[in-house]
Amino acid sequence: DGGITQSPKYLFRKEGQNVTLSCEQNLNHDAMYWYRQDPGQGLRLIYYSQIVNDFQKGDIAEGYSVSREKKESFPLTVTSAQKNPTAFYLCASSSLLVGAYEQYFGPGTRLTVT
Amino acid sequence: AQKVTQAQTEISVVEKEDVTLDCVYETRDTTYYLFWYKQPPSGELVFLIRRNSFDEQNEISGRYSWNFQKSTSSFNFTITASQVVDSAVYFCALSELGYGGATNKLIFGTGTLLAVQP
Repeated sequence: DGGITQSPKYLFRKEGQNVTLSCEQNLNHDAMYWYRQDPGQGLRLIYYSQIVNDFQKGDIAEGYSVSREKKESFPLTVTSAQKNPTAFYLCASSSLLVGAYEQYFGPGTRLTVT
Repeated sequence: AQKVTQAQTEISVVEKEDVTLDCVYETRDTTYYLFWYKQPPSGELVFLIRRNSFDEQNEISGRYSWNFQKSTSSFNFTITASQVVDSAVYFCALSELGYGGATNKLIFGTGTLLAVQP
């Protein structure tokens, strides 16, 4: 089955630790995205990538880092510099073909930092 | 600046009622795309529909229908004969076109929580 996988579903960390969230897709999509969702709010873009070895900051990139070494994978690291890391993180991917721009989402990772 | 407004924070209906979720957007682009997503309690966003700015035809898919009106910058979503399984948060989103005309970013509204009571 084609889709996007994120692991783990729930993640707990102590303050001051870096943590990496994984995102893998087998949809052969060129573009991948990371969003953050806080209770009662919409999604905010953290980083996105349209091609391997290239990525751009979104609206709230501070305290986060990403890599895109393979087309299928786009891991997100939440660093200790992120002041409010507890949130629901969603990974998405999309084609870059004209007219096929919808993004498909993974199941999300709920991160709790105490 | 681009913006999506979903003024209805929460809606509660009884099963079999029709319900309309409102979405108003702002953009300076002449070419853009609008989307609706459903987020059930499990958390994963499910893509429902894409509409481009040149296609103002209304669309119907089963119990779902969408009304796109450029004159009022609205893209409303109606569920006919609602069911308990329709209970979810629904997000409207607007594309921000970038490299090669492809979507780099989606600008999301804050979502509408729909509760369908049995």
